[in-house]
Amino acid sequence: SYELTQPPSVSVSPGQTARITCSADALSKKFAYWYQQKPGQAPVLLIYKDTERPSGIPERFSGSTSGTTVTLTITGAQAEDEADYYCQSADSSGTWVFGGGTKLTVL
Amino acid sequence: QVQLVESGGGVVQPGRSLRLSCEASGFTFNSYGMHWVRQAPGKGLEWVAVIWYDGSNKYYEDSVKGRFTISRDNSKNTLYLQMSSLRAEDTAVYYCAREGEALVGGFDIWGQGTMVTVSS
Repeated sequence: SYELTQPPSVSVSPGQTARITCSADALSKKFAYWYQQKPGQAPVLLIYKDTERPSGIPERFSGSTSGTTVTLTITGAQAEDEADYYCQSADSSGTWVFGGGTKLTVL
Repeated sequence: QVQLVESGGGVVQPGRSLRLSCEASGFTFNSYGMHWVRQAPGKGLEWVAVIWYDGSNKYYEDSVKGRFTISRDNSKNTLYLQMSSLRAEDTAVYYCAREGEALVGGFDIWGQGTMVTVSS
């Protein structure tokens, strides 16, 4: 399988825009998914199929893709968005892979 | 409501076995692929295994291949993970997760997790 590369940490000021990237050659052919995980909680699906947002997810969360990199954008970050974020994709062999995770700090 | 509840975690000695269960409710269990995902203390998420909706196909992460077995009982709405030859590095919170419908994909429903500690 392959690796998904994320920055370990990203910082953003309240109300500003945060961008978290996820890179792998396979992402040019495979969909990416994004999850948010707060301490002590299970992950929550934020974005599916690169750009789609499940019902109930705030509009400030959006996804985009360009070549081998997908990006999670949080427009107007709030204190409650401080969390770990993971990208994910599926391998053609039937397996799945997560990125290493990015800790978002809102300060 | 749609829910997944894991059980079966605990403290186990290296080399021993343990079986995790994940009981589903609020949705048609036999229509969905199901996954196990784990998270070692202070670490990131690691995908472990998947089983198709009808049990016809199973795939595993390389480090658990040959030691872990995923299975399901659709009559009981329950997913299992049989873990054998456990190692210290298997210590983690184990989550079960539902794979979303084809139009969505991804893991749209997660359980609360069950902790497995492998230690002598």
